[in-house]
Amino acid sequence: QAQLVQSGSDLRKPGASVKVSCKTSGYTFTSYLMNWVRQAPGQGPQWMGWINTATGHPTYAQGFTGRFVFSVDTSVSTAYLQINSLKSEDTAVYYCARQPSYRGDFDSWGQGTLVTVS
Amino acid sequence: EAVLTQSPGTLSLSPGERATLSCRASQSVTSNFLAWYQQKPGQAPRLIIYGASSRATGIPDRFSGSGSGTDFTLTISRLEPEDFAVYYCQQYGSSPLFTFGPGTKVDIK
Repeated sequence: QAQLVQSGSDLRKPGASVKVSCKTSGYTFTSYLMNWVRQAPGQGPQWMGWINTATGHPTYAQGFTGRFVFSVDTSVSTAYLQINSLKSEDTAVYYCARQPSYRGDFDSWGQGTLVTVS
Repeated sequence: EAVLTQSPGTLSLSPGERATLSCRASQSVTSNFLAWYQQKPGQAPRLIIYGASSRATGIPDRFSGSGSGTDFTLTISRLEPEDFAVYYCQQYGSSPLFTFGPGTKVDIK
């Protein structure tokens, strides 16, 4: 059974950077795309983009270019989200979410990481 | 831009009742790539339905999805206490690649 375990909550000051990890187990890491989803307080989920875990090639949604960086380390089956130049409006819960090939949904999610910028 | 609209915003029902949730897309959803998720407070979303009508692994058969094109429905045949939550629909294929609806909250009457 797939498990996605994210790093813990983080409090950062505006202008700082943060790196969220998503460690996976129970499946072949490179056989699935990994997506990142943001959920601001009291709001619905918002897709940030995905990374091809086999090639390391990222795709960013509009509004998530420039300050956001997706990466993977296949040796430890882990995906990363780095956010640079943090702003107060980046305060949200960030989820990693696995996408099966040839499907348009997320069948397994991390537990979420709360990033607070204050 | 593909926009999803969900109705109603809140559905107040009693355990044992039938819940019918609607999701409407501003443009036709590619290959019926329409999914439904359940989210409880403090938890990650959980996949319920994918491909408009296929139940995800471990999802009980009281959950069913239907629809095509721009109109989709999630039905919970008999509400159990653990079903009270927020439900989101999500489409894949139109720009942006993935979009979520605003959600329908199913709460206890």
